[in-house]
Amino acid sequence: ETGVTQSPTHLIKTRGQQVTLRCSSQSGHNTVSWYQQALGQGPQFIFQYYREEENGRGNFPPRFSGLQFPNYSSELNVNALELDDSALYLCASSPGLSYEQYFGPGTRLTVT
Amino acid sequence: GENVEQHPSTLSVQEGDSAVIKCTYSDSASNYFPWYKQELGKGPQLIIDIRSNVGEKKDQRIAVTLNKTAKHFSLHITETQPEDSAVYFCAASNRGGADGLTFGKGTHLIIQP
Repeated sequence: ETGVTQSPTHLIKTRGQQVTLRCSSQSGHNTVSWYQQALGQGPQFIFQYYREEENGRGNFPPRFSGLQFPNYSSELNVNALELDDSALYLCASSPGLSYEQYFGPGTRLTVT
Repeated sequence: GENVEQHPSTLSVQEGDSAVIKCTYSDSASNYFPWYKQELGKGPQLIIDIRSNVGEKKDQRIAVTLNKTAKHFSLHITETQPEDSAVYFCAASNRGGADGLTFGKGTHLIIQP
């Protein structure tokens, strides 16, 4: 059984640029959630996708957007990058709308 | 919205001793409480969870207790080993996760040999 995978591992961008992060869910999981983890903090919920529709959203501005594809993989897009967007971005998958969430290794984004 | 407080921020214990990490939550509607272990450079790993209709759950050396009235829950690790060293996060959720998990700020557990 393949776990959650994310790409790329690390990324460096300049303020004002746009970035796309990718996630492949664990086999059999059709729900994907994205989280932002700042250094020394717990993860913060960005949004959740279920069957290609946004199913819930945390307190993040609209420049954070996402997609889920028919194979349940997902993208997180961030426009107009700000220095405070520097963080570890985590993807988690779940079977259906169950409570359990299983995390990938994350993408480390640095904005300069 | 939900707010989760976690204590202590750092916990150092001797190998073989027990470790206890405590969390409180604010939203009485929360009904799912997982614990995650995060090692350096890795994503959080689900180690145990508990639902609001259960007061205690145990899995080998780890256990979680929940007090719904007081709105707090705790992680207990017995017979600690060096590989238990990591950052541990508690979290709370309702609505089946559509509001996401609300995490505490984490506890850095250090196992002294």
